[in-house]
Amino acid sequence: NAGVTQTPKFQVLKTGQSMTLQCAQDMNHNSMYWYRQDPGMGLRLIYYSASEGTTDKGEVPNGYNVSRLNKREFSLRLESAAPSQTSVYFCASKGLGGSYEQYFGPGTRLTVT
Amino acid sequence: QQPVQSPQAVILREGEDAVINCSSSKALYSVHWYRQKHGEAPVFLMILLKGGEQKGHDKISASFNEKKQQSSLYLTASQLSYSGTYFCGTEKNGATNKLIFGTGTLLAVQP
Repeated sequence: NAGVTQTPKFQVLKTGQSMTLQCAQDMNHNSMYWYRQDPGMGLRLIYYSASEGTTDKGEVPNGYNVSRLNKREFSLRLESAAPSQTSVYFCASKGLGGSYEQYFGPGTRLTVT
Repeated sequence: QQPVQSPQAVILREGEDAVINCSSSKALYSVHWYRQKHGEAPVFLMILLKGGEQKGHDKISASFNEKKQQSSLYLTASQLSYSGTYFCGTEKNGATNKLIFGTGTLLAVQP
């Protein structure tokens, strides 16, 4: 059981470049989430997917798009990266019903210059 | 809309106690607590559902006062392993699946 995996671990982009952050879980979880973490700001929800085929905006969706490719995979795309998107990005997943715990991946450290 | 956590940081010696508070301006359905060690992903500690219950996890317990829209995390007889940043995550209703996290409380336990 790998849990939640994220690729890449580190990435440096130039302003205006695009990239996709990949996330996969092998726990058969329905819900998946993308967060960004900045110093002093805590974790802020970008987008989430309550189940395969559905996605919803979180607190800070501007500049991002997501795809819930299947039950396992949830990707985050930056179409035109900006320095304000420099952050650590975490993906998380959660099971159904009485399962409240969100399981987080190891994170992707993104720097936009 | 982010819940407010206090204090922002606390330094303890091993064996001392600490309380971390989490307050929301909105009515809450549940409060979740996570701990994140430096350079690692957050890890779930516990959830408190509305009803004013108290929960425990080893020597870490928490309470939830839904009328005051507040939760407190109690760390008793702290150990070095308790060091990290603690986040509360709040949920307005059970149907949303969304957590809004506070800005975190940095806890450093020294020998």
